[in-house]
Amino acid sequence: QKEVEQNSGPLSVPEGAIASLNCTYSDRVSQSFFWYRQYSGKSPELIMSIYSNGDKEDGRFTAQLNKASQYVSLLIRDSQPSDSATYLCAVPFGSARQLTFGSGTQLTVLP
Amino acid sequence: DAGVIQSPRHEVTEMGQEVTLRCKPISGHNSLFWYRQTMMRGLELLIYFNNNVPIDDSGMPEDRFSAKMPNASFSTLKIQPSEPRDSAVYFCAIPLGGGAYNEQFFGPGTRLTVL
Repeated sequence: QKEVEQNSGPLSVPEGAIASLNCTYSDRVSQSFFWYRQYSGKSPELIMSIYSNGDKEDGRFTAQLNKASQYVSLLIRDSQPSDSATYLCAVPFGSARQLTFGSGTQLTVLP
Repeated sequence: DAGVIQSPRHEVTEMGQEVTLRCKPISGHNSLFWYRQTMMRGLELLIYFNNNVPIDDSGMPEDRFSAKMPNASFSTLKIQPSEPRDSAVYFCAIPLGGGAYNEQFFGPGTRLTVL
């Protein structure tokens, strides 16, 4: 099993819909989880951090964490075409607890 | 204000040549990360510096790769000799602050093509 796994997509949703992005991780001791957004040809940008079980909301974005199931998700409400990007899940891993990134999910929001 | 300058932004070189990538945090940071991104392998950590000292270089692919951080305002990643499989986008990143060094700000990247 890969350390961090994401649905590779691509995922397409209509404008205004909810986009749901999923991520599972293999390290049970992980305590912090991150979502980065990467537009085509650009660098990754941190959009959400979550450290506790449950939901964390920031504007149209909600991160959900379930440590027992080793699962973290990102919901984007009222999706906009400007949300079209690749979303990377990242989890600290290994003895030095450095970030390990998933392969990313490419999201397209259709106008 | 978090900010990172990377140079060059694009580099095209021939196999066997030495390549030096540069990273300059605008506000000076003692912690700095170098990543490599390819379609096949995704985004991978190469090396991590803290207090200008390499802490974890387990991601450095082989001896052809070396990195230095002589001060809080500058770091280099060198590939000598370069090979076509080194073609990738190389990012450097710094912690955003607040003690959570995994909340990182990425520079614009250097797109390296080795022919």
